[in-house]
Amino acid sequence: AQRVTQPEKLLSVFKGAPVELKCNYSYSGSPELFWYVQYSRQRLQLLLRHISRESIKGFTADLNKGETSFHLKKPFAQEEDSAMYYCALKPGTSYGKLTFGQGTILTVHP
Amino acid sequence: GAGVSQSPSNKVTEKGKDVELRCDPISGHTALYWYRQSLGQGLEFLIYFQGNSAPDKSGLPSDRFSAERTGGSVSTLTIQRTQQEDSAVYLCASSFRDFNEKLFFGSGTQLSVL
Repeated sequence: AQRVTQPEKLLSVFKGAPVELKCNYSYSGSPELFWYVQYSRQRLQLLLRHISRESIKGFTADLNKGETSFHLKKPFAQEEDSAMYYCALKPGTSYGKLTFGQGTILTVHP
Repeated sequence: GAGVSQSPSNKVTEKGKDVELRCDPISGHTALYWYRQSLGQGLEFLIYFQGNSAPDKSGLPSDRFSAERTGGSVSTLTIQRTQQEDSAVYLCASSFRDFNEKLFFGSGTQLSVL
């Protein structure tokens, strides 16, 4: 069975500082990894997925199969980045049954 | 439509009562999912629908939980004889197809069992 671990429940940084939200996974096959974000009083929404290799709102994430990690990074955090972030895994050829991590609450202070 | 719609947004019930939660997916989305978001448990998968059939019910926590989908559209999640541990936010999501498609989430139903 797959598992997703986000070791930090809370993460605080100051505006303009770099931020990294950690995500580690365990899965025997080839997974697809995602980051979902939930801003205050908004719906859970997709931030980015590893197969797209894109940067969204300045965030990037690289899948490291050797370390089984998919950390989310942004070089200069903004106050509007404050939100709950979930890392999620989907078996590569499966339907949208996601295994989520516990989530990390990011607070960016002015 | 405007997105995935869930009702009610909040539901307070007494232990032992039955509740029904409704999800109206985005028009044309064939895949529909129910997840549960609870403190200390994060987000847990409950059930997956493709059209009106549910090929994966593996996340339903007990036989008190059931779900159906009619007309390939609206889905209802029913919890019988509610318990306090059922208190959570129940999220519905839909996608256009089932493989490699982005999930669109509803705003959820906050269920409180007293």
